[in-house]
Amino acid sequence: EVQLVESGGGLVQPGRSLRLSCAASGFTFDDHGMHWVRQAPGKGLEWVSSISWNSRTIAYADSVKGRFSISRDNGKNSLSLQMDSLRPEDTAVYYCARDHNYGATERLSSFDFWGQGTLVTVSS
Amino acid sequence: EIVLTQSPATLSLSPGESATLSCRASQSVSSYLAWYQQKPGQAPRLLIYDASKRVTGIPARFSGSGSGTEFTLTISSLEPEDFAVYYCQQWNNWPPGVTFGPGTKVDI
Repeated sequence: EVQLVESGGGLVQPGRSLRLSCAASGFTFDDHGMHWVRQAPGKGLEWVSSISWNSRTIAYADSVKGRFSISRDNGKNSLSLQMDSLRPEDTAVYYCARDHNYGATERLSSFDFWGQGTLVTVSS
Repeated sequence: EIVLTQSPATLSLSPGESATLSCRASQSVSSYLAWYQQKPGQAPRLLIYDASKRVTGIPARFSGSGSGTEFTLTISSLEPEDFAVYYCQQWNNWPPGVTFGPGTKVDI
């Protein structure tokens, strides 16, 4: 069974940093690209960042570019999101999600499995 | 950046009725489009990928169509569990990026 479990959320002051993690199990982690998606309270889904299976292709939404950094450790089946210079508008539930494509491809696709999310609240 | 527009914002229907949800892209996305269902307090669930391919385990009453800039998700006969918010999503590979539509709420 595919499982994605996010952790690391919490309350943080504006300007500070937070690191989110996503533990993956039930599938061959390095066969898939991975993504972060967020959802502000009562709002829609917003794509945050993507990373290919081999970390060679990385992309960010304009709203987080230069402040957030995505990474993965295929040996530990884990995905991370380093969030610096946090702003109140970064407050959201952050989901990690698996790319539907598998194998040695840099191409993005739809997101076929999602974690339950971790809440990040940026407030003084 | 490709912008996705979904209509209507809210669709009020009764169980047994058919639902037609629209997603329009600001420029062609070929068939690189997916549909998700999200219920309150839950993560999104992938229903349709590549515009018209149904995910294994998704009931046949869900179907997707379209290509280019105009896409449709049809729910042929609404079940009580289908009342939720539906999002479309597109992706492009160069430069790599992803966009979600604002969502359509299907309520009773």
